[in-house]
Amino acid sequence: DIVMTQSPDSLAVSLGERATINCKSSQSVLYGSSNKNYLAWYQQKPGQPPKLLISWASTRESGVPDRFSGSGSATDFTLTITSLQAEDVAVYYCQQYYSLWTFGQGTKVEIK
Amino acid sequence: QVQLQESGPGLVKPSQTLSLTCTVSGGSISSDNYYWNWIRQHPGKGLEWIGYVHHSGNSYYNPSLKSRLTMSIDTSNNQFSLKLTSATAADTAVYYCARQIYSNNWATFFDYWGQGTLVTVSS
Repeated sequence: DIVMTQSPDSLAVSLGERATINCKSSQSVLYGSSNKNYLAWYQQKPGQPPKLLISWASTRESGVPDRFSGSGSATDFTLTITSLQAEDVAVYYCQQYYSLWTFGQGTKVEIK
Repeated sequence: QVQLQESGPGLVKPSQTLSLTCTVSGGSISSDNYYWNWIRQHPGKGLEWIGYVHHSGNSYYNPSLKSRLTMSIDTSNNQFSLKLTSATAADTAVYYCARQIYSNNWATFFDYWGQGTLVTVSS
C-alpha cells in the first residue's frame, strides 16, 4: 500500500496569514505516460463529510476559493491556503489514487 | 446536484452483520463514469477506503476487509449497499458513501459524499 504522511499534524495560523500543509507519499504517484500526479486534497469541517478541493495535485474544483492551491510532484506535495479565513478551520487530507486509494492522517488547521 | 444519503442501523451487536444502504439522487447510478464507494472514519481518526461497486457488477474491496465484505448495487432504485459480517468494536465508525470519478480507465478521487452515518458495534 502507498502510505501518505502529512505534516504537521496541526497548525495554528493568524487570520490573513498563510497556511502550508505537506503530504508525502511512500512511492511516486506520478503516472509517467500522462505526466499527471494522482493526488487529491480534501477539507473536512466538524460534523461534515470531506469536501474535494483539489485533484491531480493542482486542479482546483469548481467553486473552491483561489486562496487554496496545490503543488508538488512525485512524492512531495503541498496544500497552501493564502490569507487564512475563519471558515477555513478544518482538517485537511491528502489522498492518492495511483494504487488503490489511501489518505493521509489529516492536518488540523486552527486560528492563532 | 448529486446527493448521497446513507441509511441503516446505528447500533449493531458484536458478531452480527453491519448493513448500510446509500441512496443516490440527482444523477444515475448506472453511469459508466462513476464508481460507488464506501469509506469509513473511526472516531477522531482518519479515512479508510472500504470498497467500490460499479453498475456493471464490477467491485473491489479493501484487502483488509475483503473476507467479511459484500457490496451490491440496485440500479432500479439508484442505491448501493454494504454488508460487513462478523462485526466487532473495531468496526465502530462513521460510514460514508461517496461517488468516485472513473476517468480513462482509472478510478480516481471522490467528488460527492453522503453526510455519513455513525455505526456503533456494541452489545
